[in-house]
Amino acid sequence: DTEVTQTPKHLVMGMTNKKSLKCEQHMGHRAMYWYKQKAKKPPELMFVYSYEKLSINESVPSRFSPECPNSSLLNLHLHALQPEDSALYLCASSQPGTSGYEQYFGPGTRLTVT
Amino acid sequence: EDQVTQSPEALRLQEGESSSLNCSYTVSGLRGLFWYRQDPGKGPEFLFTLYSAGEEKEKERLKATLTKKESFLHITAPKPEDSATYLCAVQAQYGGATNKLIFGTGTLLAVQP
Repeated sequence: DTEVTQTPKHLVMGMTNKKSLKCEQHMGHRAMYWYKQKAKKPPELMFVYSYEKLSINESVPSRFSPECPNSSLLNLHLHALQPEDSALYLCASSQPGTSGYEQYFGPGTRLTVT
Repeated sequence: EDQVTQSPEALRLQEGESSSLNCSYTVSGLRGLFWYRQDPGKGPEFLFTLYSAGEEKEKERLKATLTKKESFLHITAPKPEDSATYLCAVQAQYGGATNKLIFGTGTLLAVQP
């Protein structure tokens, strides 16, 4: 099974709201990722967790707050977002390390900030 | 600087008309090159991993090849359902034990019946 699940599929939020995106995988992977993807652009890395510890933060604004409660779950907490944050948010997982392990992506959450 | 370039940006084929997509890369210490397929509004779907020059992998109508500077995704006798954006990504050697991918901008493939 190579499935990564994400909820919700769609989310509309105002600039003063607080919401969370959730991601789950049961492949035994110990690295998990958040990406942001704008239309007609490739995925843009935001955060990487390796063994439940944050290992990469690509200078993402603090209105995005990641959390990795355990090896299967990854959350992205959203607060005071801007309209330009509207995008497809993708979660991915892989084996950790630098040995060329492929990442498996979830279906994404389509976020609209009004 | 590590870089991945895909060409063409868009490709329109007739059903059954074979062609190739190109992914050129400049990276220090290639750890792996990955091909993904992405349908509109969905997450990328993993297709292939290539590790070293000369390696080839096949899946149905798709065949991926790798040289020291580029990779090709060959599509043989495509069907309309092969229409999608095809993304190429490389994993470079970074300090620590973190897997970071560098993506190309993708090739949008449209196969007309």
